[in-house]
Formats: sequence, structure tokens, C-alpha cells
Amino acid sequence: SQQGEEDPQALSIQEGENATMNCSYKTSINNLQWYRQNSGRGLVHLILIRSNEREKHSGRLRVTLDTSKKSSSLLITASRAADTASYFCATDRQAGTALIFGKGTTLSVSS
Amino acid sequence: GAVVSQHPSRVICKSGTSVKIECRSLDFQATTMFWYRQFPKKSLMLMATSNEGSKATYEQGVEKDKFLINHASLTLSTLTVTSAHPEDSSFYICSARRGQRVSYNEQFFGPGTRLTVL
Repeated sequence: SQQGEEDPQALSIQEGENATMNCSYKTSINNLQWYRQNSGRGLVHLILIRSNEREKHSGRLRVTLDTSKKSSSLLITASRAADTASYFCATDRQAGTALIFGKGTTLSVSS
Repeated sequence: GAVVSQHPSRVICKSGTSVKIECRSLDFQATTMFWYRQFPKKSLMLMATSNEGSKATYEQGVEKDKFLINHASLTLSTLTVTSAHPEDSSFYICSARRGQRVSYNEQFFGPGTRLTVL
């Protein structure tokens, strides 16, 4: 499978700081999505960016996609303690197929 | 809308027994559902793709006789872990794809089922 790689694996920051997570993947994609998962819980969909888009915003989230480099980044601005969670990128090769998840970044925001 | 439920949320069973996990789309029809498993501090690994009315497609390395998947209706898929062993202990998550239009592959995830095999 084309499991992506997230970078960094773990990130610790202070409240108010920005957090940037990167994701790389191996094959061509249809879309790329970012999810959040609190410890031991289900997934929360954050944002989807299509393969023909380069940047997308949603509240404090900013996602970029560089298909030439097969990479994406998720920026969380003005982080809060409640942002503490694991963040995964997920890609699909074709519309309607299963999502393939990256390894995830564990974000810890301390107050 | 677009809620997916899983039942049970937690299950503890003895080695050798079978456990059934249900995944339901509560307010939409899901022609396709996906099953993932997640080990502690790890990512989600796709196990199989379940299409309503047909046999599931399993990923390489996933034993179809051990992980039985049934997608008998447009709102329900079940995963049965047969003859469970401690190494099957994991977090199992399902997702459901809504509708026939797949232009951007909108999938909705269940809350997960934590299986512990003693």
C-alpha cells in the first residue's frame, strides 16, 4: 500500500504557537485528507484537498498540497491545549477507493 | 447527518472465541464500507473493502477466514474475528462511503471497537 509518512512523528509546543505537520505519499492520488484522533477514540475529519488544489483553509487550519513533490502540510495556527491529538493524512488513488493512512504525528500542546 | 456507529465499543473475550463487530450507517446508505485496524500508537491499516451484496476484498496479509466480513444490507457491515487470539487485540474502525457519487470520496468513520483477547 502507499502508506504515507508524516513528519515529525511527535511535536510538542506551547499554547499559542503554530504547529506544522508534513505528509508524503508515494503514488498519484485523487484527494488528500487530514484527520485527527484523540487518544483511544475515533477519527475526526478535518479537511480535504483535491489533487488539483494547492492550498485550502478551514478556521485555524491551513493545508497545502504539492503533487509534484507528493507532499502535503497541515498548519494549525494559534494552537490550544485541546488540539492535543494525533493527526493523520490519508490519500486515495481513485475516487471511491479506500483511504490509505500515513503514520501520523502526535501533537502535544501544553498550556 | 452522515453518522456511522459501531457496536460494541469495547469487548473483552477469551482466546479461541469469536467476536462480531457491527458497523452501521445511521442516516445514509453505504454501498461500500471499509474495515481498518489500529495498534497502539500506530496508524490505521486497511484490512478489507466491503461491498453490499458481494464478497469483501481483503488486503494482502489479512486472513479472510479469520476476519469474516458480511455486508448484507446498505446500512450494515459486520466483522467477525474468529478463533480470536491475543495478537488480534486491537482497535477496529470502520468507515462508510456515502452514495454512488464518488467525486471526492467522502467517507465517514465509526468511533471504533477496542477488542481485547485474553
